[in-house]
Amino acid sequence: AQTVTQSQPEMSVQEAETVTLSCTYDTSENNYYLFWYKQPPSRQMILVIRQEAYKQQNATENRFSVNFQKAAKSFSLKISDSQLGDTAMYFCAFGDAGNMLTFGGGTRLMVKP
Amino acid sequence: SQTIHQWPATLVQPVGSPLSLECTVEGTSNPNLYWYRQAAGRGLQLLFYSVGIGQISSEVPQNLSASRPQDRQFILSSKKLLLSDSGFYLCAWSSGGGQGGELFFGEGSRLTVL
Repeated sequence: AQTVTQSQPEMSVQEAETVTLSCTYDTSENNYYLFWYKQPPSRQMILVIRQEAYKQQNATENRFSVNFQKAAKSFSLKISDSQLGDTAMYFCAFGDAGNMLTFGGGTRLMVKP
Repeated sequence: SQTIHQWPATLVQPVGSPLSLECTVEGTSNPNLYWYRQAAGRGLQLLFYSVGIGQISSEVPQNLSASRPQDRQFILSSKKLLLSDSGFYLCAWSSGGGQGGELFFGEGSRLTVL
């Protein structure tokens, strides 16, 4: 079974600064996918970014990028130019070949003005 | 476009009462469907998933059950609620068959058992 660990329960960042959220996972599979989801106070969970394990290039989506270290089983999320709307719970998730996702415990991010 | 709805959004129930949460997906066919529970301040725990009508897999043994009477309808039920069933329940769907697909989540249902 896979496990996903987010070691930072809470983080804060000043508006316009950069913040990195950590995620590590444990798996014996070689083919898998990794995700970062955002759950704002309105509660609807949305996908932030997705990474295929077979790709060496780190995924980027505008201000969001990941640092994927497959050997270290690490998948951190970097948010650049943080905005107040980035305030949310962020969940790291591991996806196996059968579309089953295992989520980490989440990191609560507060962006301060 | 695809949409997912779940209801009710909020529910307060006494211990021992029954439960029915409903989730429907529109704009897609033969989706994979999921029920997750999110306890306060914690991550998401997969409860049930379904790859087709009448096909339900349970990840965690408990007093909850799930059913999929139609292709795009997923229901979470209980005959007798426990205090420990309180939480935030999320329904989600993904495209069936392909791997690496993202999950699309509903708005969630907050259940408080008193």
